[in-house]
Order: sequence, then structure tokens, then C-alpha cells
Amino acid sequence: GQNIDQPTEMTATEGAIVQINCTYQTSGFNGLFWYQQHAGEAPTFLSYNVLDGLEEKGRFSSFLSRSKGYSYLLLKELQMKDSASYLCAVRDGGYQLIWGAGTKLIIKP
Amino acid sequence: GAVVSQHPSWVICKSGTSVKIECRSLDFQATTMFWYRQFPKQSLMLMATSNEGSKATYEQGVEKDKFLINHASLTLSTLTVTSAHPEDSSFYICSASAASGNEQFFGPGTRLTVL
Repeated sequence: GQNIDQPTEMTATEGAIVQINCTYQTSGFNGLFWYQQHAGEAPTFLSYNVLDGLEEKGRFSSFLSRSKGYSYLLLKELQMKDSASYLCAVRDGGYQLIWGAGTKLIIKP
Repeated sequence: GAVVSQHPSWVICKSGTSVKIECRSLDFQATTMFWYRQFPKQSLMLMATSNEGSKATYEQGVEKDKFLINHASLTLSTLTVTSAHPEDSSFYICSASAASGNEQFFGPGTRLTVL
């Protein structure tokens, strides 16, 4: 079956760096997405990786290793507003988007 | 960036009534629209995928006669929850993607409460 694993919850300190990991097992691969979702709101797009390597966008970076079925989202200079759930999603061979359960990130002052 | 709107943003209805939720892509043509449901503290659950002009593809366990989806144009899809019951109370989110893009753009969601 298809599976995406990410930690349920993480805690980090304001101003620090945090890495949220995502591992996947899918039938085929056509890209990996990271979304941010604040409580009670819809997800917002953060990043998209389809080739191996690091994609950097401001304070957020996303890394992909297709051979390992692994990705991470790196958040730098954490701010209180970064407290949210971070969803990893993989587009499989049939172009279906498979969602992880999300990682709740708690930022402490 | 691409904008997707949903209407209404929240709705309260009586058990047994039907509720229609609209999803519009405001500045792009959405070949494909997706409908999700999210219960509190749970992840997104894909309900169905709809392509403009064709019947929606429902995920396993989602009743197509209860959740009617219409995607009549490249900018509008509707989800009708028929004969709603309290267990249908949830956060319903649509997303849309253009033919040429990989990204799904999400609407702000509709919170449905069935009394």
C-alpha cells in the first residue's frame, strides 16, 4: 500500500531551526509537496520538489531524495506564527496526491 | 498567485436538509478540482476528484449519492451534501489545479455544522 510517515508533533524555540522529516512509499512518484495549515484554516502551499536536492525559499527549504523515499522541510529563524501543522504530500504514478497526517509544530518563546 | 474561493465560509443547517458549497477559481482555469473533508485534529481526506465536464471520481467509502459534485465549468465546482446529518459536520475544503501546473491551490474551506 501507499504510505507517508511524518512525526505527529514537534516543539522548537523561537529563533531556532527545525527540520520536519517525511518518508514515503508510493506506487510511482511525480513530485512531493509541503503545505502549511494553521488551525481552522485551509492548507497553503510551501514547496514542491520533483528532482533530488534542496529547494530554498526564504526561511523555508525543502529537500528530496527519491532513492531513499525521503524529504525534509527546514524552517529557519522560527517565529511564533510558524506554529502550525505541516503536511507532506506525494503525487504518485497515477498523479493522485497522497497526504501525510501532518506534523504539528509548536513554537515556544 | 492563483486564488480559489469557497462559499459559504461557514453554514449551520438542520438535520435532513441539503447544503451546497461552491468552489471557484478566480484567476485561472481549473481543469481539475478536488474536494476534501477534514475532521478536527485529523488530516485531509480526499472525497472526490472532478474534471470539468465529466463525472467526479469518488474515493472509496464516499457515497456519491450523498455528496453530489458538479464541475460544469472551468472555474466552478459545487459540492452538495444531501440529507445532512450531524456526523457530516466537518471542514470541507476544495482545491483546484490547472492543466499546465502541478500545484493544487486551496480554497479557504467551509465549516459545516449540522444540528
